[in-house]
Amino acid sequence: GDSVTQMEGPVTLSEEAFLTINCTYTATGYPSLFWYVQYPGEGLQLLLKATKADDKGSNKGFEATYRKETTSFHLEKGSVQVSDSAVYFCALLYGNNRLAFGKGNQVVVIP
Amino acid sequence: ETGVTQSPTHLIKTRGQQVTLRCSSQSGHNTVSWYQQALGQGPQFIFQYYREEENGRGNFPPRFSGLQFPNYSSELNVNALELDDSALYLCASSSNTNSYNEQFFGPGTRLTVL
Repeated sequence: GDSVTQMEGPVTLSEEAFLTINCTYTATGYPSLFWYVQYPGEGLQLLLKATKADDKGSNKGFEATYRKETTSFHLEKGSVQVSDSAVYFCALLYGNNRLAFGKGNQVVVIP
Repeated sequence: ETGVTQSPTHLIKTRGQQVTLRCSSQSGHNTVSWYQQALGQGPQFIFQYYREEENGRGNFPPRFSGLQFPNYSSELNVNALELDDSALYLCASSSNTNSYNEQFFGPGTRLTVL
């Protein structure tokens, strides 16, 4: 079935460092792709999306490009802040408006 | 515009008990989806309700059931609780008038089964 795989393990980096979180997907067709962020004690918030191949989603300095040739949707940010510390989930939309999520990556930004 | 709300925030139950979780959808949304997020994992789709009817179900046993009401709020019921049911339960509302049906998530209910 349709699924998403995120790179293993937490990510710890210093403020102003470059962030990359890898995400690959398996799907029939070309599903819409999303990155969600979950701050401590809160629900999921949509960070950005891409609905077709070669689309670039962007928000709050984060970017991700829908690459059908590599079935990837990697999240990047050029200069992270302490406030970016959160758990990040890659997801795809499949079937009848259902989301399939990756396992998530904890990002810790150190001042 | 009121966002998605869930109640209660936290809940502790024992094995074999039954639990009901509640979700109020965002204004104007007619679809509610429920997800289970185990500790350290991504959310897993449980089921979805559209206009008071179940509209798709994930790989969860029948003891997970739900309802949607005329005002589009929803309940998730879990019978015969097991230890593995301990998780954060998230509901998300959406509107099928949106081209990609963006789902708006509530803060979740943390269920602990002892």
